[in-house]
Amino acid sequence: EAGVVQSPRYKIIEKKQPVAFWCNPISGHNTLYWYLQNLGQGPELLIRYENEEAVDDSQLPKDRFSAERLKGVDSTLKIQPAELGDSAVYLCASRGVGELFFGEGSRLTVL
Amino acid sequence: GDSVTQMEGPVTLSEEAFLTINCTYTATGYPSLFWYVQYPGEGLQLLLKATKADDKGSNKGFEATYRKETTSFHLEKGSVQVSDSAVYFCALSQYGNKLVFGAGTILRVKS
Repeated sequence: EAGVVQSPRYKIIEKKQPVAFWCNPISGHNTLYWYLQNLGQGPELLIRYENEEAVDDSQLPKDRFSAERLKGVDSTLKIQPAELGDSAVYLCASRGVGELFFGEGSRLTVL
Repeated sequence: GDSVTQMEGPVTLSEEAFLTINCTYTATGYPSLFWYVQYPGEGLQLLLKATKADDKGSNKGFEATYRKETTSFHLEKGSVQVSDSAVYFCALSQYGNKLVFGAGTILRVKS
């Protein structure tokens, strides 16, 4: 069974540029999460989806961040414009029975 | 809100030494508790979990016991190996909705 797939693994951009991350969860998992992991810290939830619906996006900075999960499967997280402080790893996870499964993450560097 | 506090690292041990990584939590209600591990270059993986007080989670020689009276979930292993070198995250979840993580503890095992 394939795991959670994220792309790109690495992205380097200049500040004020846009960037997008893509996530394909494990087949059949209805719940999808985006987490932010800053260096030396634990992951923090940005947004949680139940199928197509964003049910917890209280931690998503909506002035520059947006996310979508149009058909309840794949999801995209976008940042526009990126700031230096957005440099971090963006993790996607999907929920199975009693457990979250994480992708390898997308590491963003903003110069 | 809910929070998790882990002992700071890095923790450096010789092979076959005993490992303890302390974890305490603050939560309303009765959360489920988890340890996740992140090996170099890989995504977060569930190591073990406990869903109620006095439960013991175990996997790959690691153990942790859910102690409600001390709000703790310390990770232990009797004899560590070089291959255990990784970052370990303690986390809690209420109602299975989202994970709240600690900051992570780096473990380095020397041969």
